[in-house]
Amino acid sequence: SYELTQPPSVSVSPGQTARITCSGDALPKQYAYWYQQKPGQAPVLVIYKDSERPSGIPERFSGSSSGTTVTLTISGVQAEDEADYYCQSADSSGTYQVFGTGTKVTVL
Amino acid sequence: EVQLVESGGGLVQPGGSLRLSCAASGFTFSSYWMSWVRQAPGKGLEWVANIKQDGSEKYYVDSVKGRFTISRDNAKNSLYLQMNSLRAEDTAVYYCARWFGEIGFDPWGQGTLVTVSS
Repeated sequence: SYELTQPPSVSVSPGQTARITCSGDALPKQYAYWYQQKPGQAPVLVIYKDSERPSGIPERFSGSSSGTTVTLTISGVQAEDEADYYCQSADSSGTYQVFGTGTKVTVL
Repeated sequence: EVQLVESGGGLVQPGGSLRLSCAASGFTFSSYWMSWVRQAPGKGLEWVANIKQDGSEKYYVDSVKGRFTISRDNAKNSLYLQMNSLRAEDTAVYYCARWFGEIGFDPWGQGTLVTVSS
């Protein structure tokens, strides 16, 4: 089955930049999405179509894509950005959805 | 305000059945694909199933095929997940989410906990 691979954890100091990667063979053909999940809460969409930001999401969140890897970048990290982040995409057929393994972002 | 509210979770024995519901409001329910996504305790997110606007297409993750059935009632603005032959590994918070192909899963409900245990 199709898999999306993320680093388990990323640590960053306040005001610095956090980068979270997500790798998958079908990413050149399928859009990627990113979700933020804080403890005890439902996930929230922060990036869609690789690099688009929904209304209400701070500008410090951005997304990019290169080949089989997509990246979520949080510029000027704030304490409130501490959360789990998941990438999501579809398999090569576009039929089955898959979530990445998840990355815990810790703000030092 | 777009809102999704799940219900129907609880404790069930292995091999048992449970039906989850999701009540939608604040948008034209019949115009969107809908989905179920689950999260086992302390684990990551797992997509479970999608259903097309008119119910004519349904897709499932391999681990639930033949055991779970996704359905919807557009007249009641409601999404359902019938879960049969439940296993311990089905224990999770189940989220209802609106799915739009170029937008992703947005928004999500608050989730309902399903615990499969004897």
